Amino acid sequence: DAGVIQSPRHEVTEMGQEVTLRCKPISGHDYLFWYRQTMMRGLELLIYFNNNVPIDDSGMPEDRFSAKMPNASFSTLKIQPSEPRDSAVYFCASSSSVDEQFFGPGTRLTVL
Amino acid sequence: GDSVTQMEGPVTLSEEAFLTINCTYTATGYPSLFWYVQYPGEGLQLLLKATKADDKGSNKGFEATYRKETTSFHLEKGSVQVSDSAVYFCAQRGAQKLVFGQGTRLTINP
Repeated sequence: DAGVIQSPRHEVTEMGQEVTLRCKPISGHDYLFWYRQTMMRGLELLIYFNNNVPIDDSGMPEDRFSAKMPNASFSTLKIQPSEPRDSAVYFCASSSSVDEQFFGPGTRLTVL
Repeated sequence: GDSVTQMEGPVTLSEEAFLTINCTYTATGYPSLFWYVQYPGEGLQLLLKATKADDKGSNKGFEATYRKETTSFHLEKGSVQVSDSAVYFCAQRGAQKLVFGQGTRLTINP
């Protein structure tokens, strides 16, 4: 299995631009999680899905952030408009249970 | 609410030294407990877990014992290697999600 796939691996954009991060979970996993990691705030859970349905989005920082999972093999995290404070590494993880989550390599986002 | 508190980092040791990274949790009941590891430039991966009191999780020479009396799950390794340099996260299972500690950065010098 290829593991969790995230794209792009690096993204540099300017403030105000729309950013879309993509994730392909491991086949057969029915949980998908989006996390954000920064030096200041550590690892934060943004949102997670079960069977493509958003279950808990309480970690989404504000309305500029949105996430979708149109099918079992694809999810997006969108930031519109982006701000410099959104700069972070964004991880997608998938699992067949809550316990053992398999993380992707992350997308390093820099907003100038 | 549920939370996990880890030993402040960074931690720097010499190769073959003994390692302990402290972790305590607060929760109602007895949640499953985990250690995840993040190597440079990668995502987190599960290192070990314990699902009930007195269980010992082990993997790659690392061990941690679920202590309900002290609500702790300290990570230990008898002889660390340079390749163990990474960030280590303690976590507990909350309601339908994992609750992570802040992470402890470990550097092993040759």
